[in-house]
Amino acid sequence: RKEVEQDPGPFNVPEGATVAFNCTYSNSASQSFFWYRQDCRKEPKLLMSVYSSGNEDGRFTAQLNRASQYISLLIRDSKLSDSATYLCVVSEMDSSYKLIFGSGTRLLVRP
Amino acid sequence: DGGITQSPKYLFRKEGQNVTLSCEQNLNHDAMYWYRQDPGQGLRLIYYSQIVNDFQKGDIAEGYSVSREKKESFPLTVTSAQKNPTAFYLCAISWTGGDEQFFGPGTRLTVL
Repeated sequence: RKEVEQDPGPFNVPEGATVAFNCTYSNSASQSFFWYRQDCRKEPKLLMSVYSSGNEDGRFTAQLNRASQYISLLIRDSKLSDSATYLCVVSEMDSSYKLIFGSGTRLLVRP
Repeated sequence: DGGITQSPKYLFRKEGQNVTLSCEQNLNHDAMYWYRQDPGQGLRLIYYSQIVNDFQKGDIAEGYSVSREKKESFPLTVTSAQKNPTAFYLCAISWTGGDEQFFGPGTRLTVL
């Protein structure tokens, strides 16, 4: 079983749609969780950290469910510019320096 | 101009040659990392360094070497022992004890 699993997609949605991605992780002792965005042939960029209480940044909402060991990302009112690959990232149990990256979920927003 | 720089952006090498990828930062972060990304796969950690003159192997260190002589610089050498070096190489930084990592623009290495 992979340490961090994501549906590779692609998720193909119209502009204005709401789309949600889930990510599951295997290490119950993981402490830190993040969503990164990666555009084609570019470096990953931090989208948001995920806190136990959940957090929201504009159209983006992240939730953490420790009991079920999954993280979600909700994007409301999708824009064409949201088209990218979204990486779920989890810290290792024994070191906050090591992050485990999922393979990513690809989102395509069409006009 | 602040930030994380990687050079070159594209690199071609012949089989059997060693090549060194540059990573420089002027944001005063203590920790630096090297990852490799292959198509359709997640990032995999090659090496990381938490302080100057110290570094640790990541999950796929075989065929690679690093040095950390200065806080600002963490070069990666891809040696001829690396069996499949063609990949996208990404350098990242973080604050000591902080988890969030920030990436440079990457170097795309192709072995001919």
